[in-house]
Amino acid sequence: EVQLVESGGDLVQPGGSLRLSCAASGFTFSGYGMFWVRQGPGKGLVFVSHINSDGSSATVADSVKGRFTVSRDNAKNILYLQMNSLRVEDTAVYYCARGGVPASADYWGQGTLITVSS
Amino acid sequence: QSALTQPASVSGSPGQSITISCTGTSSNVGGYNSVSWYQQHPGKAPKLMIYEVSSRPSGVSNRFSGSKSGNTASLTISGLQAEDEADYYCSSYTSSSTPYVFGAGTKVTVL
Repeated sequence: EVQLVESGGDLVQPGGSLRLSCAASGFTFSGYGMFWVRQGPGKGLVFVSHINSDGSSATVADSVKGRFTVSRDNAKNILYLQMNSLRVEDTAVYYCARGGVPASADYWGQGTLITVSS
Repeated sequence: QSALTQPASVSGSPGQSITISCTGTSSNVGGYNSVSWYQQHPGKAPKLMIYEVSSRPSGVSNRFSGSKSGNTASLTISGLQAEDEADYYCSSYTSSSTPYVFGAGTKVTVL
């Protein structure tokens, strides 16, 4: 069974940093690209980042470029999102998802909540 | 403001069919066959319902179908059931520097 479990969510002050993790199991992690998608309180889904299966290519949304970095450890089956210079508007539930079919996320974790507030 | 435009809400009675539209541009929906649809129940993670415009993942009911014409994609739910009441989001690959974009979501209500 495919499982994705996010962790690392917390309350952080503006300007702070946080690293999210997504532990994957039930599939060959190194064979799939992975997504981070966020959802602000009462709002819609927003693409944050994508990384390919071997980690050689990664993209992030313009809104987080220069502040967020996506990476992965295929030996440990973990996806990461390093978030720096956090802003109030980054407050959201952050989901990791598997890119199991073309340009789509076929399995999603339950999400982890980041609250950026002073 | 989302790059993909969806109606805020759509409603229908049990057994009816409804269609949700997703309008973009030639830089996203119209330019690629990479439109996906996700269903999200309150407090739950999204679930992939349609990918590549009209393909259904294993396990998704054939009551859900997708199509595209020009810059507009559509999700049709036939034989509407109470469990279909949820938010639905379209997504597309784009040629912009942010490679994927979502619509703002459509709330489906089963009357």
